[in-house]
Amino acid sequence: AQSVAQPEDQVNVAEGNPLTVKCTYSVSGNPYLFWYVQYPNRGLQFLLKYITGDNLVKGSYGFEAEFNKSQTSFHLKKPSALVSDSALYFCAVRGNAGNMLTFGGGTRLMVKP
Amino acid sequence: DSGVTQTPKHLITATGQRVTLRCSPRSGDLSVYWYQQSLDQGLQFLIQYYNGEERAKGNILERFSAQQFPDLHSELNLSSLELGDSALYFCASSAGDYRTDTQYFGPGTRLTVL
Repeated sequence: AQSVAQPEDQVNVAEGNPLTVKCTYSVSGNPYLFWYVQYPNRGLQFLLKYITGDNLVKGSYGFEAEFNKSQTSFHLKKPSALVSDSALYFCAVRGNAGNMLTFGGGTRLMVKP
Repeated sequence: DSGVTQTPKHLITATGQRVTLRCSPRSGDLSVYWYQQSLDQGLQFLIQYYNGEERAKGNILERFSAQQFPDLHSELNLSSLELGDSALYFCASSAGDYRTDTQYFGPGTRLTVL
């Protein structure tokens, strides 16, 4: 079975500071990893994905994520946080079990001015 | 805007009733996925259709069913509704049926069962 863990329910960061939202995964076969963001009363918006190749993946809105196979992690990062980045972030994985996404529990990011 | 549309946005109904949720995928996408988001269960995969055929099933109750029509829109039918079925139901679509495909999500239908 495949699974995703987001160990922090909430991450607080000051505007302008770097942010990291953590994600670890467990999957059979090669992992395909995704990050989505959900704003209040909105659907999930795709941010970025790792399929293969470079371990540092760049995505939308200045976000990037680092794939670490030995640590089975895929942490989301941004060099300088904006208040408008405050939202709920989901990490998801897809492995050999099929094309469905398995999501983590989500991490609420709060960026304070 | 992802290009995936879902109707209705909100649905309020009573226990024991039946409802239908509708999804139109992005233009050209052949796969449709349904997910349920609730406070206690998080985001859970329900079912996937690819070009009209059921491709994968997740934690979908027997009271729930879905189909994908020739024009590729999909409907999720929920029957004998219970209070615990109250949740946000998302539809997503992707171009094909590959694990590398990105799934794009619609805005969701919020179902409230009273």
